[in-house]
Amino acid sequence: DAKTTQPPSMDCAEGRAANLPCNHSTISGNEYVYWYRQIHSQGPQYIIHGLKNNETNEMASLIITEDRKSSTLILPHATLRDTAVYYCIVRVAGWESGGSNYKLTFGKGTLLTVNP
Amino acid sequence: KAGVTQTPRYLIKTRGQQVTLSCSPISGHRSVSWYQQTPGQGLQFLFEYFSETQRNKGNFPGRFSGRQFSNSRSEMNVSTLELGDSALYLCASSTVGETQYFGPGTRLLVL
Repeated sequence: DAKTTQPPSMDCAEGRAANLPCNHSTISGNEYVYWYRQIHSQGPQYIIHGLKNNETNEMASLIITEDRKSSTLILPHATLRDTAVYYCIVRVAGWESGGSNYKLTFGKGTLLTVNP
Repeated sequence: KAGVTQTPRYLIKTRGQQVTLSCSPISGHRSVSWYQQTPGQGLQFLFEYFSETQRNKGNFPGRFSGRQFSNSRSEMNVSTLELGDSALYLCASSTVGETQYFGPGTRLLVL
């Protein structure tokens, strides 16, 4: 799986948009970009994933650059409960994994602190 | 749908003992993966099971083992516990090749 680079920490004011960047310059064509977050001592929570196109769900938006070498996770209106470590992960698409559930390789992630 | 459940949530053991942790996947999910999280090493992949077979294994000693039952429930076992095995053990389930959903974890403390 390709490696990712994220800033170690970011701050955001409550109610403002939080934009979390991720660099994955060695991503392959069959690799998805996944985002998870982990609130202290809880299990990681799936947020969103994408391959090429921008994606949006009820939690966040994912913007992937055209060359797929970087992406940005956007939390449109951050709340105090969004304070967490956010992980950007790239992993092989399911159809390429030979029937196996490819492991997730977690980096150190970005600690997002939402301030009141 | 109910999420991934893990039992017990907290556990205290002493060095040399063994421990068994349990994971019940989301209904319909047949793949179960296990991860270890420590402050020093972060989140690391242990192994993955599908249809009662171990499909992938991380770089952990043989003291760490697991199994999966016909109903997709999984257990992991750690024998001869060491202080360094103190960690949050996470289980994740998915349909094959798709998004993994994590449970709340079991926090193990080895004294």
